[in-house]
Amino acid sequence: KAGVTQTPRYLIKTRGQQVTLSCSPISGHRSVSWYQQTPGQGLQFLFEYFSETQRNKGNFPGRFSGRQFSNSRSEMNVSTLELGDSALYLCASSFVGQVSTSQYFGPGTRLLVL
Amino acid sequence: GESVGLHLPTLSVQEGDNSIINCAYSNSASDYFIWYKQESGKGPQFIIDIRSNMDKRQGQRVTVLLNKTVKHLSLQIAATQPGDSAVYFCAEMSNTGNQFYFGTGTSLTVIP
Repeated sequence: KAGVTQTPRYLIKTRGQQVTLSCSPISGHRSVSWYQQTPGQGLQFLFEYFSETQRNKGNFPGRFSGRQFSNSRSEMNVSTLELGDSALYLCASSFVGQVSTSQYFGPGTRLLVL
Repeated sequence: GESVGLHLPTLSVQEGDNSIINCAYSNSASDYFIWYKQESGKGPQFIIDIRSNMDKRQGQRVTVLLNKTVKHLSLQIAATQPGDSAVYFCAEMSNTGNQFYFGTGTSLTVIP
């Protein structure tokens, strides 16, 4: 079974631009969560989608948004990029089963904002 | 809100020794905990989990201990190997949904 895939793997943008990142979950997984990882803050939860609906949201500004498609693939968008948005963006998918709700992470998209 | 923190940011151990990585959490209502391993250039990888109705769970060379009284979680790695060198995160799941809170991580270095 293929793992979680994320595209692109690396991205360089300039301040003020916007960016869209893509995540394909493991087949059969309906939950996709997005995280921002920085050296100082560690992993911070952005939002979670389940069956095309945003189910949970972290404490990030409205510049960060996402969506999920009917095939469970998800995209996140960051508008009006700031230098502080430079980070590794990880998505994780889960089946959300009863016994274990462990998530499987993708390799991440490393975003550099200049 | 919840907060999850690690006691030590870095840990160096000799190959073959046992490693213990600690984690403190603040939300006594959290009922599910996970340890992840993240190697350089990769996303976090699930190692082991434990629910709040247990105080110990063992996997292959790894053991997780949960002390709910002091809200403390630890990961023990037996006979640490060079391949265990990575950053280890603990995470807790809120009892209100599928939302995880992560610690900043402990970097484990195994000395051959």
